[in-house]
Amino acid sequence: EIVMTQSPATLSVSPGERATLSCRASQSVSNHLAWYQQKPGQAPRLLIYGASTRATGIPARFSGSGSGTEFTLTISSLQSEDFAVYYCQQYYLWPPLTFGGGTKVEIK
Amino acid sequence: QVQLKESGPGLLKPSETLSLTCSVSGGSINSYYWSWIRQPPGKGLEWIGYVYYSGSTSYHPSLKSRVTISVDTSKNQFSLKLNSVTAADTAMYYCARGGILTGFIYFDYWGQGTLVTVSS
Repeated sequence: EIVMTQSPATLSVSPGERATLSCRASQSVSNHLAWYQQKPGQAPRLLIYGASTRATGIPARFSGSGSGTEFTLTISSLQSEDFAVYYCQQYYLWPPLTFGGGTKVEIK
Repeated sequence: QVQLKESGPGLLKPSETLSLTCSVSGGSINSYYWSWIRQPPGKGLEWIGYVYYSGSTSYHPSLKSRVTISVDTSKNQFSLKLNSVTAADTAMYYCARGGILTGFIYFDYWGQGTLVTVSS
């Protein structure tokens, strides 16, 4: 099983600032990496797939990078609606498809 | 716009069978992978398994002995059965659409989720 580890668990950021979230895979997943955003009481929403491709309708302030075992999600200028929990997911090797434990982005 | 909606009992007793159905609207169930994903209260996401529109399946190894996922293309639905539930199976259960191609199973459409509680 590929273990996905996200850091930090919680990130405190002021509105307008940049947020950088990390995701590490226990073995290479090439670029088969997706990012999701989940707000309280809602289902997750796909942000990024293929490590760096934004999903339909996702604002350009969200960007993904990385390959192999190290990945980053960057939110260039945090808006109020971006405070949420973010998950990464690998789809390189399964079963199982696996998610990271999540990073909560909170208002500083 | 593709929409998914879960349905099924919200309260089960230990040892019972969890049965959920996901109804897909706004698009065909054909040509995609369809997954069930769960999230215990306050915790992260766990993939349970998927069914391809053709009927082929893949399950999380830790749940494989208790899980069956099936598809009914005539009704544009797919279903989850989880046997012998315990309190550890208490979670929000989501259905989600995966990729159209093998090797690209990320989830672009999700249901709203349904909370299943296991309690005596």
